[in-house]
This record gives sequence, structure tokens and C-alpha cells, in this order.
Amino acid sequence: NAGVTQTPKFQVLKTGQSMTLQCAQDMNHEYMSWYRQDPGMGLRLIHYSVGAGITDQGEVPNGYNVSRSTTEDFPLRLLSAAPSQTSVYFCASSYGASGNEQFFGPGTRLTVL
Amino acid sequence: GNSVTQMEGPVTLSEEAFLTINCTYTATGYPSLFWYVQYPGEGLQLLLKATKADDKGSNKGFEATYRKETTSFHLEKGSVQVSDSAVYFCALAGGTSYGKLTFGQGTILTVHP
Repeated sequence: NAGVTQTPKFQVLKTGQSMTLQCAQDMNHEYMSWYRQDPGMGLRLIHYSVGAGITDQGEVPNGYNVSRSTTEDFPLRLLSAAPSQTSVYFCASSYGASGNEQFFGPGTRLTVL
Repeated sequence: GNSVTQMEGPVTLSEEAFLTINCTYTATGYPSLFWYVQYPGEGLQLLLKATKADDKGSNKGFEATYRKETTSFHLEKGSVQVSDSAVYFCALAGGTSYGKLTFGQGTILTVHP
């Protein structure tokens, strides 16, 4: 089992560029989420999905899009990057019910100039 | 809405010292509570959890008890090691919040030999 994988590990963008952060899991988890981690603020939920074809917004969704065409993949798209999106992004997955463990990927460190 | 408040850090201790990291929460219903740990350069991994009042989660010498009357889930360890140096996050998931964790801001722990 590879668990939760994320690519790329590092990325530098210019303001206005777009890109997609990739996330995949091989545990057949229904639930997948994207968080961003900023100093002193913990992790904040961007978008989440409760199954293929179903997505919803989290706490800080503006500037990001997601889709879930398969159980395994949950890409995060930055439509027009801004310096405020400089952060570390984590993807997570779980079996679902709120008491279950979420498994996190290794993260993508994004810098927007 | 849900919220989690952790004690301010960073925390610096000598090896074999006693550790407490305070965590209090606000939530509707009966949330599940978690402590996650993040080692340098890595993603988050579950340290321990408790899913109902008075439950005690424990792992690797760390313990935390779900106290509904004080809405707290403080993390403790009797004797810390250098290898415990990491960032610790308290988090909760509400009863119907599938895949949605609310995190505290994180506490940086440094243990010196």
C-alpha cells in the first residue's frame, strides 16, 4: 500500500498561473479532503469529497476547484494563483465516519511569487 | 461552528520531563477528538483518539482523556524523549462532519538531551 500520495512535492508559480495538485489513495477510502497549512493557523479545510462524483466546500474554498471522477483521485486546481495561496497543501483520506482516522499525504509546498 | 484551541507554543523541555499540551474545544453534539503529530518534513499522522466522553486514548506513552464537562482533551506524556520533538495538533470531527476535521493551531515541541 502506498497510502496517500501527492505530487509535486514543491512548486513555484507566478501570480496568475494555474496548476493542479495531484492526490491519490489506494485504500479504497470514500472520503477525501484537501487542507492548507499556514504558520500559527493549523490546518484549514479547502474542499472535501464523500465519494466519487460528490464534492463540497470547506472553510477556505475561494480560488480552488476540485473534482472526484474516481474513488482513488482527488486533484486540487488553482485557477489563478495569488501570493495568498503560498502554503503547504495536504491531502487526506478516510473510511468516513467522523471517528475514523484520516490518513495524510506528505504535502506539497507551494510558493506563489 | 466547531473550534479547537491549543495552548500557545513553542514548548521546550529536557529529556525525561513531563509534558502537557492543553486543548479545549467547542462543538455541537458529540464530536470525536484526535491528536495528530507532524515530524519535520512529513505529513500528519494520528497519535491517538477518543470517540466518546471519558474515553482515554493512548499511544507511544502519550495519553489524553475526553472530558465533556470541561470540553478538553489535554495531551500528556510522563517522560519525553528527543524523538518526540514535533508539531502536535489537536483536532475534532463532529458527528455528521464526515471527512471534515477542525484543527487547533498546533504546538511545536522541542526536547533537548
